[in-house]
Amino acid sequence: DTAVSQTPKYLVTQMGNDKSIKCEQNLGHDTMYWYKQDSKKFLKIMFSYNNKELIINETVPNRFSPKSPDKAHLNLHINSLELGDSAVYFCASSQARVGYGYTFGSGTRLTVV
Amino acid sequence: SQQGEEDPQALSIQEGENATMNCSYKTSINNLQWYRQNSGRGLVHLILIRSNEREKHSGRLRVTLDTSKKSSSLLITASRAADTASYFCATGGFSGGYNKLIFGAGTRLAVHP
Repeated sequence: DTAVSQTPKYLVTQMGNDKSIKCEQNLGHDTMYWYKQDSKKFLKIMFSYNNKELIINETVPNRFSPKSPDKAHLNLHINSLELGDSAVYFCASSQARVGYGYTFGSGTRLTVV
Repeated sequence: SQQGEEDPQALSIQEGENATMNCSYKTSINNLQWYRQNSGRGLVHLILIRSNEREKHSGRLRVTLDTSKKSSSLLITASRAADTASYFCATGGFSGGYNKLIFGAGTRLAVHP
């Protein structure tokens, strides 16, 4: 059973479109994250939710809006997609307290054309 | 800006050799973690070392942490072709009391048969 699953795995879309990526974890973790990995493999945190509450919101364009309907799900909606949004987006989950590792999903490769 | 910086950026070795990767960081930390990323996959947690620890082992992995120098190293002994991957260090700290990891740029390791 996949611990952190994201869908879709690949997403190709045109500039200006709106798209969503879904993430689900079955580990019972309280905290979930979205990370963006660019073409140079830099991983940058975007958002984090703890038990449906937004706790980390890095400097991300407001075209990106996370939504957590419950602590097992964290979705990412992106409006008005731009070429620079092309990247791999990773969802992850962990225990809330500091000192625990993350479990990552397999990523969603977003290509904006 | 990235918290951790890995060195070298790329490493190419033969099977059976040891691989050493280094990570430097800038601010105080609660813990430091190492992750592996195979091509096209998500990150996998390898090992966590707390700020009050100096060395930790897990199978063929040995991690050291020097908080006075703000640096860590990951040693993979007797490397195998299957160890070919990118390796990331991540510093764990507090964000409003919650678990937050900041990743370095990674080291690409190639192990040749």
